[in-house]
Amino acid sequence: AQSVTQPDIHITVSEGASLELRCNYSYGATPYLFWYVQSPGQGLQLLLKYFSGDTLVQGIKGFEAEFKRSQSSFNLRKPSVHWSDAAEYFCAVLTQGGSEKLVFGKGTKLTVNP
Amino acid sequence: SAVISQKPSRDICQRGTSLTIQCQVDSQVTMMFWYRQQPGQSLTLIATANQGSEATYESGFVIDKFPISRPNLTFSTLTVSNMSPEDSSIYLCSVLTVRGYTFGSGTRLTVV
Repeated sequence: AQSVTQPDIHITVSEGASLELRCNYSYGATPYLFWYVQSPGQGLQLLLKYFSGDTLVQGIKGFEAEFKRSQSSFNLRKPSVHWSDAAEYFCAVLTQGGSEKLVFGKGTKLTVNP
Repeated sequence: SAVISQKPSRDICQRGTSLTIQCQVDSQVTMMFWYRQQPGQSLTLIATANQGSEATYESGFVIDKFPISRPNLTFSTLTVSNMSPEDSSIYLCSVLTVRGYTFGSGTRLTVV
């Protein structure tokens, strides 16, 4: 079955530091991958997505993610974190073939220290 | 992308009662989804609601507990029936458009 693993439950970084959030997926075919951000009391906002083509994907708010098939990974990065980036981040894979649906990882909570 | 209005944004309910959550979209969409996010957990798909057909429920979710209506292409409701404290969660609706999946801001439900 398709699954998404986010190994880090909670990450703390200092403002201005670089960030990398890990995501590993299990899926037999070419995956469609997503990163969402959820701020406290808010819904999910799409940061970026990968369907095909260039494996380095640029998203909103200065985020990018790199798809590495050999590692079954789709890690999210940002070169310099802002205090407003504090939120929960979810990686998701879109299952296909029959019932199409998003399968989410358990999320990584990001805390940004001043 | 589509704009979703979800109501209520939060509620506190007595056990044994039911709550109906509404999801209104500003454009016509074929596929709508209902998710549950339990405290400290990720999102779990409850069901897919397509207009004109019965909702399709995921394993572990049943229609008697989570009846869904989808009367038209811009609206859906999810009812959480006979609630218990274990139903305390955030419930989110989502739609699929050509621009991808969009989520509502969620309904935070606390059952006491």
